[in-house]
Amino acid sequence: EAGVAQSPRYKIIEKRQSVAFWCNPISGHATLYWYQQILGQGPKLLIQFQNNGVVDDSQLPKDRFSAERLKGVDSTLKIQPAKLEDSAVYLCASSLATGPYEQYFGPGTRLTVT
Amino acid sequence: GEDVEQSLFLSVREGDSSVINCTYTDSSSTYLYWYKQEPGAGLQLLTYIFSNMDMKQDQRLTVLLNKKDKHLSLRIADTQTGDSAIYFCADLSGTYKYIFGTGTRLKVLA
Repeated sequence: EAGVAQSPRYKIIEKRQSVAFWCNPISGHATLYWYQQILGQGPKLLIQFQNNGVVDDSQLPKDRFSAERLKGVDSTLKIQPAKLEDSAVYLCASSLATGPYEQYFGPGTRLTVT
Repeated sequence: GEDVEQSLFLSVREGDSSVINCTYTDSSSTYLYWYKQEPGAGLQLLTYIFSNMDMKQDQRLTVLLNKKDKHLSLRIADTQTGDSAIYFCADLSGTYKYIFGTGTRLKVLA
């Protein structure tokens, strides 16, 4: 079974630029998560989708971050404009459904904002 | 908001047991998880425990849960150099929200 795919793996941008990350979850997984992992910290949930609907986006900085999962499969996370403090690894995970189901994580995208 | 705390570092000798500790504040916790993260990789689920259990054993891994003190531990028996990684404790709340700890970096000395 193919795992969670993310691209790009690395991205370096200047502050005030925009950037987009892509995630392809495991086939058949209804729930998709985007996490932000700042160096030395644990992952922080940014947004959770159930199919193409948002379950939780309470910690998403909506003035600059947006995410979509239009067909309930792939998802994109965008930052516009980026700030220095957005430098982090952005992890995508998927699970069969919302609830106590195993989350499978992708390798992450490391973003550096200069 | 809810919080999950872990000590930052642990160093053990190969063959010894490792014990990684975690405390959490969530009173509505349903499941508690241990994840492993190796350099440049995502998180990998190691084991989990339901909140009404107090112990779970899975090969070299033993999870202990003290619900009264909101304390979770992961014991790795016969620790190997391949166990060197960052270990995250995570809490799944009653509203199915995951909260991760800060991670404990385990270094295994040969």
